[in-house]
Amino acid sequence: GAVVSQHPSRVICKSGTSVKIECRSLDFQATTMFWYRQFPKKSLMLMATSNEGSKATYEQGVEKDKFLINHASLTLSTLTVTSAHPEDSSFYICSASSLAQVSGYNEQFFGPGTRLTVL
Amino acid sequence: KQEVTQIPAALSVPEGENLVLNCSFTDSAIYNLQWFRQDPGKGLTSLLLIQSSQREQTSGRLNASLDKSSGRSTLYIAASQPGDSATYLCAVTNIFNKFYFGSGTKLNVKP
Repeated sequence: GAVVSQHPSRVICKSGTSVKIECRSLDFQATTMFWYRQFPKKSLMLMATSNEGSKATYEQGVEKDKFLINHASLTLSTLTVTSAHPEDSSFYICSASSLAQVSGYNEQFFGPGTRLTVL
Repeated sequence: KQEVTQIPAALSVPEGENLVLNCSFTDSAIYNLQWFRQDPGKGLTSLLLIQSSQREQTSGRLNASLDKSSGRSTLYIAASQPGDSATYLCAVTNIFNKFYFGSGTKLNVKP
């Protein structure tokens, strides 16, 4: 199956700093990438959808100036948490979507996640 | 807005038992439904995907059913094993490939 990687897997930073998380599709070209946030014992919440070469679409309540998303190529999307604060501590998961050749529908493949801790 | 609910939130069973996890969703206009497994601190592993036109999917000891009209899906795990211990997430997608996740069922299979 298709593989999606995230880097780093874990990051600890000081309050006020910015953190960049990368999401890569390793063996396929992803037309669309998604960023999710997961709080402990909670569901995944979609933060934004990004299409290669265009601006990301943010879900209601997500600050686009706080969570900067760049989708510069068909295999790479980045999420930058700007001026991070302790309340931004969470598990961030990306997914990448491609058109399945056989079934013809868009499959979505998930990365392993990044644990962000802001001190 | 689509809401996905999973019951129970947690389940503890002895090894060897057959079990059923439940998922319900409020808007029946879904594109597909998917069951995932998540181990602690890890990402998601896709288990089964049911397209909206299908009624069920099977993979090994897992069987997932879908009743779109009533907004329900079940994941059946046969002959549970300790290695099945994880959180199981149900998610539905709309036509724009947007996922709506349930909050999961945390399963503990005791040896």
